[in-house]
Amino acid sequence: DAGVTQSPTHLIKTRGQQVTLRCSPKSGHDTVSWYQQALGQGPQFIFQYYEEEERQRGNFPDRFSGHQFPNYSSELNVNALLLGDSALYLCASSLDGSGWSSYNEQFFGPGTRLTVL
Amino acid sequence: AQKVTQAQTEISVVEKEDVTLDCVYETRDTTYYLFWYKQPPSGELVFLIRRNSFDEQNEISGRYSWNFQKSTSSFNFTITASQVVDSAVYFCALSEAKSSGSEKLVFGKGTKLTVNP
Repeated sequence: DAGVTQSPTHLIKTRGQQVTLRCSPKSGHDTVSWYQQALGQGPQFIFQYYEEEERQRGNFPDRFSGHQFPNYSSELNVNALLLGDSALYLCASSLDGSGWSSYNEQFFGPGTRLTVL
Repeated sequence: AQKVTQAQTEISVVEKEDVTLDCVYETRDTTYYLFWYKQPPSGELVFLIRRNSFDEQNEISGRYSWNFQKSTSSFNFTITASQVVDSAVYFCALSEAKSSGSEKLVFGKGTKLTVNP
């Protein structure tokens, strides 16, 4: 049973370029969340996708967008890259609909290290 | 707004020492979850524990123990008889409890633990 996978592992881009990061959720999971982790900081929530729609969004500009496909995999797109976008981008998957009485664990992938020069 | 504070940026101990990682949180929610994650140099977040806000019982798992005190909004993590393999960055996180069951995680900035032989 494969866990959460992300591609690519590392990426180097220059300012102003656009980038697409990919995530395949753990088998059986239908919800994908993306987090940005700058060096020396904790992960920050970007957004969450469920049923191919953005369900929640953190405090990130519109340059950050995403997509979820029918097979539940997801992409994170960042336009007009800034130096400050350099970070580890983590994808987490979970199963929706547990209800109030329980919590469905978020399983994290290994991340994509993005460097913007 | 939710907030997690990990005041200790870095801790260095000698193997076999006990070490406690502090976590203080803020939330207006009456129902929430608290977490600890470990992030080794490889970057992948490893889940350690989840605590429901209704359950203030302390928990012990092997050399790990957690002390949840709602009165002081703290959720501290103790490693007994530390080992070199415990060296990592540890994150405390907070999540609302909602019907979706997989709400966004709000992370602290992390505590880097170094266990020296």
